Amino acid sequence: KQEVTQIPAALSVPEGENLVLNCSFTDSAIYNLQWFRQDPGKGLTSLLLIQSSQREQTSGRLNASLDKSSGRSTLYIAASQPGDSATYLCAIGNTGFQKLVFGTGTRLLVSP
Amino acid sequence: DADVTQTPRNRITKTGKRIMLECSQTKGHDRMYWYRQDPGLGLRLIYYSFDVKDINKGEISDGYSVSRQAQAKFSLSLESAIPNQTALYFCATQSSAVETQYFGPGTRLLVL
Repeated sequence: KQEVTQIPAALSVPEGENLVLNCSFTDSAIYNLQWFRQDPGKGLTSLLLIQSSQREQTSGRLNASLDKSSGRSTLYIAASQPGDSATYLCAIGNTGFQKLVFGTGTRLLVSP
Repeated sequence: DADVTQTPRNRITKTGKRIMLECSQTKGHDRMYWYRQDPGLGLRLIYYSFDVKDINKGEISDGYSVSRQAQAKFSLSLESAIPNQTALYFCATQSSAVETQYFGPGTRLLVL
């Protein structure tokens, strides 16, 4: 059974810092990996999706990497802003039908 | 208007009551999902549907039932609510052509 872990559970940084969020998974036979952002009262928003054949994806200040052999993914946020404050979730897609397995999330607070 | 809506947004009920959570989407997606989120456990899949006539159990379907009334509507029912069903419930949709899921804002349910 796929298990997904995110460390740290919470992170507080001052504005402007670059930061890394971590996601680890137990079964390397994945289809893809997604990073989501969760804001209170607004549900989840997909940030980046990495296919199993890819090593990284970038969108603006966000860069996600994937190392299947070690069962790890990182989300790098450059020049953090208070608006980045949210909970970040990674999710593993184990099949093409997208039955996602979610991690428990990292709650990020960026202070002005 | 939001593409994926959930009603109600908040609900308090008593043990043993039957309740229904509703999800509607205007995205024209064929796939719909119900998840629950508990603190420290991440999101877990309850039921999913790939078509109006297709219903599948997820990881934690016991105590729940669903109905796919139309392509745009997917309802989750708790036939006899119990306190450990207190959670945040999310509906999600997905097109079979792409791999990203789109989430509703969630329904916060409290069972007393």
